[in-house]
Amino acid sequence: KNEVEQSPQNLTAQEGEFITINCSYSVGISALHWLQQHPGGGIVSLFMLSSGKKKHGRLIATINIQEKHSSLHITASHPRDSAVYICAVSKYSGGGADGLTFGKGTHLIIQP
Amino acid sequence: DTEVTQTPKHLVMGMTNKKSLKCEQHMGHRAMYWYKQKAKKPPELMFVYSYEKLSINESVPSRFSPECPNSSLLNLHLHALQPEDSALYLCASSSPRGIVTIQYFGAGTRLSVL
Repeated sequence: KNEVEQSPQNLTAQEGEFITINCSYSVGISALHWLQQHPGGGIVSLFMLSSGKKKHGRLIATINIQEKHSSLHITASHPRDSAVYICAVSKYSGGGADGLTFGKGTHLIIQP
Repeated sequence: DTEVTQTPKHLVMGMTNKKSLKCEQHMGHRAMYWYKQKAKKPPELMFVYSYEKLSINESVPSRFSPECPNSSLLNLHLHALQPEDSALYLCASSSPRGIVTIQYFGAGTRLSVL
């Protein structure tokens, strides 16, 4: 079983729709990351969460530590939001430099 | 400057070749990472360097040899690779202050092994 599970794997929606991507994890973590990857490879960090909720523009990320679950929401979705969204976790190693363990990603397509 | 620069962008090599991938950052980050990403799969951690010392090696075959000559530069030396090593190789960096910080990724080197 993967340590980080995401759903859905694929999501197609119409422009303007409210989007939710879910992530659950089965290991102890020090932080959870939401990342965006466009075709061609570049990865951009959207959020890093250890508790509660964060908002940046039309993006909102929440985490429930007790339930080991996080969600990424996109409000008023736009075709430029089309990308792969990846949930990843940092499993605290104590050294302050910890590689990420990734979920399989959600391929999001927003149609005009 | 929040940029992580990887060179080359594309690399084609034969199984007997020796090549190197380069990653550079000037954000003062003291943690640097190599990830491997196969097509339509998530990235997988290969190596972590913290303060220029190798701190994590995820059981990567010895045909991949990392090197961190200084705090700004990370290399990945490749030798006797196999076709299944063809992938996107991503470098990232972060500041190891505190417990966890955001990782900044380069655009990757797309490697094809013939």
